[in-house]
Amino acid sequence: GQQLNQSPQSMFIQEGEDVSMNCTSSSIFNTWLWYKQDPGEGPVLLIALYKAGELTSNGRLTAQFGITRKDSFLNISASIPSDVGIYFCAGPTSGTYKYIFGTGTRLKVLA
Amino acid sequence: DVKVTQSSRYLVKRTGEKVFLECVQDMDHENMFWYRQDPGLGLRLIYFSYDVKMKEKGDIPEGYSVSREKKERFSLILESASTNQTSMYLCASSLGVANTGELFFGEGSRLTVL
Repeated sequence: GQQLNQSPQSMFIQEGEDVSMNCTSSSIFNTWLWYKQDPGEGPVLLIALYKAGELTSNGRLTAQFGITRKDSFLNISASIPSDVGIYFCAGPTSGTYKYIFGTGTRLKVLA
Repeated sequence: DVKVTQSSRYLVKRTGEKVFLECVQDMDHENMFWYRQDPGLGLRLIYFSYDVKMKEKGDIPEGYSVSREKKERFSLILESASTNQTSMYLCASSLGVANTGELFFGEGSRLTVL
């Protein structure tokens, strides 16, 4: 099925570093959602974005809704070991009940 | 906070058994979904429901059925489990008919079919 493209696919970073990842689509979205999923657990909603250009923070996490409405970005500042996991974006398709999900970015933090 | 609760975190069943996966949400959401998640395939929609007793097939409904008798509860049924249904099953819910809202997931149910 259709997926949103995320990059990078995976990344190793040192504890304390900042992390950036993005999500792109070939079509416009009106809502962008960012999730974190730990192994064996369900995804947890981190941030929701509703307006082009919007910048929203949740603790050390900041996400932005791209101006073109075809992309979104997630930044994590001062990473800590518990940030390890898979981050993925998602968005509802207009006029349907379906959500499209990103391919995921696997984050590994080196202490 | 929205809470989506899945009844079983881990199940092991035998081929041919009937399997019930239960999901309950506590935020009066109209929409509820069942997905399965497999490595390399991402999240795939099995069924969704936009109201009590209403259901729509998703992308991979074969081998599954659902039931929504009450607004807060959405059940996934495997009539005759097969080994290719071994997977992580995720229930989710969202608010609103316009589908512009946040989607909340349960903790997941890891099903192994032997």
